[in-house]
Amino acid sequence: KAGVTQTPRYLIKTRGQQVTLSCSPISGHRSVSWYQQTPGQGLQFLFEYFSETQRNKGNFPGRFSGRQFSNSRSEMNVSTLELGDSALYLCASSLALGEDGYTFGSGTRLTVV
Amino acid sequence: GENVEQHPSTLSVQEGDSAVIKCTYSDSASNYFPWYKQELGKRPQLIIDIRSNVGEKKDQRIAVTLNKTAKHFSLHITETQPEDSAVYFCAAETGGFKTIFGAGTRLFVKA
Repeated sequence: KAGVTQTPRYLIKTRGQQVTLSCSPISGHRSVSWYQQTPGQGLQFLFEYFSETQRNKGNFPGRFSGRQFSNSRSEMNVSTLELGDSALYLCASSLALGEDGYTFGSGTRLTVV
Repeated sequence: GENVEQHPSTLSVQEGDSAVIKCTYSDSASNYFPWYKQELGKRPQLIIDIRSNVGEKKDQRIAVTLNKTAKHFSLHITETQPEDSAVYFCAAETGGFKTIFGAGTRLFVKA
């Protein structure tokens, strides 16, 4: 079966711009989580969606937002980009909330110049 | 707040030796503890997990142990091989179903 698909794979944006990243989970998976990965900070939790509702949110500023559609696909948006937003953004899906391991996508590498 | 601490940050072992990575968590309501392996340039992959009603779980050369009282859990890799070289992340799912990751351990297995 198809894995978790993230698009685009690479993005270069200018400071102040906004960006939208997309994630299609494994078919049948209803939970989608987003993480920011940087060399110095590891995997930082952004948010988690289940059945189109945001169930959890990490400690990121309001410039980071997301949503989930009825087909479980999810998008995250970052507005007013800063240089420090440069990172690998990973999406992970799981069957349901709670006690279920993630399947990660390959990520979107965002570079802000 | 919710936190997962992971040690060591770097671990170098000789091929055939054992490797142990330790994690502690802060949320006593955590009940699920997965481990992920991330090879260079690749996505993290779930390698083993343990639930709070179990003290130990084994899968071939990999084992995890959990001490709920002390809020500790560990990954043990025996008979290490060069292909075990990667970054390993522990994680704990909080009572609110949020998964918090440790900072990662970079494991080098020298041939």
